[in-house]
Amino acid sequence: GAVVSQHPSWVICKSGTSVKIECRSLDFQATTMFWYRQFPKQSLMLMATSNEGSKATYEQGVEKDKFLINHASLTLSTLTVTSAHPEDSSFYICSATPDRDSYEQYFGPGTRLTVT
Amino acid sequence: RKEVEQDPGPFNVPEGATVAFNCTYSNSASQSFFWYRQDCRKEPKLLMSVYSSGNEDGRFTAQLNRASQYISLLIRDSKLSDSATYLCVVNNPPVSGGYQKVTFGTGTKLQVIP
Repeated sequence: GAVVSQHPSWVICKSGTSVKIECRSLDFQATTMFWYRQFPKQSLMLMATSNEGSKATYEQGVEKDKFLINHASLTLSTLTVTSAHPEDSSFYICSATPDRDSYEQYFGPGTRLTVT
Repeated sequence: RKEVEQDPGPFNVPEGATVAFNCTYSNSASQSFFWYRQDCRKEPKLLMSVYSSGNEDGRFTAQLNRASQYISLLIRDSKLSDSATYLCVVNNPPVSGGYQKVTFGTGTKLQVIP
């Protein structure tokens, strides 16, 4: 159990375009979802936390208007990278937890974004 | 001081060796601790939680030292398949009704050599 999927697994886009990444919890309802970014040889950096039906809480330094997060249902959260630039190229990973007070997270397989 | 610090390695060890990693954390209010394993270009996978009393899962033993604010991971009888990056994860309690704060260490790279 506790499977999280992400789509797409990789995407190449041109500078200035927008890219949407989906994160789904397949066999549980995720009250809270997290979005991370990982640059090569670096650790995961938390970008934002969201609860279903409410606005996401962004970490310091993460632009809300650039990284749009929508947690519309208990099984789906989306991250849209707007007006992507080459420096946004990274590995984006989501995770989900069934219980806001639970400390165990289930990770999606990640999405590798390359902006040319 | 970083919230979570790990020696990046790499640790190159022969098969069958015992290897240990430490991870220090700065927030004394941290509540939960985990070790995750991440293979190259893959998502992290939970290896084990770290309890105050210490816990063991086969060849893996995790321990927590709250007084010194560090956790450790011991791998006995290393296998080639243990080669990966091991991430220390610290969860801090929510602040003022907000969300739990999850912080990842930068990871320690382990390479087990035949």
